[in-house]
Amino acid sequence: DGGITQSPKYLFRKEGQNVTLSCEQNLNHDAMYWYRQDPGQGLRLIYYSQIVNDFQKGDIAEGYSVSREKKESFPLTVTSAQKNPTAFYLCASSTARGAGEKLFFGSGTQLSVL
Amino acid sequence: GESVGLHLPTLSVQEGDNSIINCAYSNSASDYFIWYKQESGKGPQFIIDIRSNMDKRQGQRVTVLLNKTVKHLSLQIAATQPGDSAVYFCAERSGDGNEKLTFGTGTRLTIIP
Repeated sequence: DGGITQSPKYLFRKEGQNVTLSCEQNLNHDAMYWYRQDPGQGLRLIYYSQIVNDFQKGDIAEGYSVSREKKESFPLTVTSAQKNPTAFYLCASSTARGAGEKLFFGSGTQLSVL
Repeated sequence: GESVGLHLPTLSVQEGDNSIINCAYSNSASDYFIWYKQESGKGPQFIIDIRSNMDKRQGQRVTVLLNKTVKHLSLQIAATQPGDSAVYFCAERSGDGNEKLTFGTGTRLTIIP
């Protein structure tokens, strides 16, 4: 089945630790996105990438980093600089032609701080 | 800056009735709008989208209406079912070549059996 796979589903971070969230898609989509969702709020864009080896900051990029070495993979690292990392993280993708349209989402990763 | 907001944070509807979820946006240059449904602990699922050159689009049991004059978007769900209970988000694209969506805060729809 085609789709977007996020792992792990639950992740715990200790103080001062960097953690990496995985996102893989087999939809052959060029564009990929990371959103953060806090309880009772909408989605806020962290980073996005429209092509391999290129990515742009979203609205809340501070404390996060990404890489896009392969078309199908867009991992997100939550660094120790992110002081309030507890949130639900969603990865999404779309076709290059429809970049910014009809995003397909993964099932999310819930990150919590120990 | 642009903003996307919802008139009501929660909505309860009797099973079988129609529901209407509203969304206001502030950027008159937005050229694309989309509705998502999100169930608890899951990622958002696409429902329906509409471009700014249209004012209505219909899907299966859903209709999206776009009123550009008052910058208002609505999602109508016909003959609601228990499975329609979820949080619904609207999102807009700015239309300035910036290929990203801005999401509203969501409306929680509860279907009463």
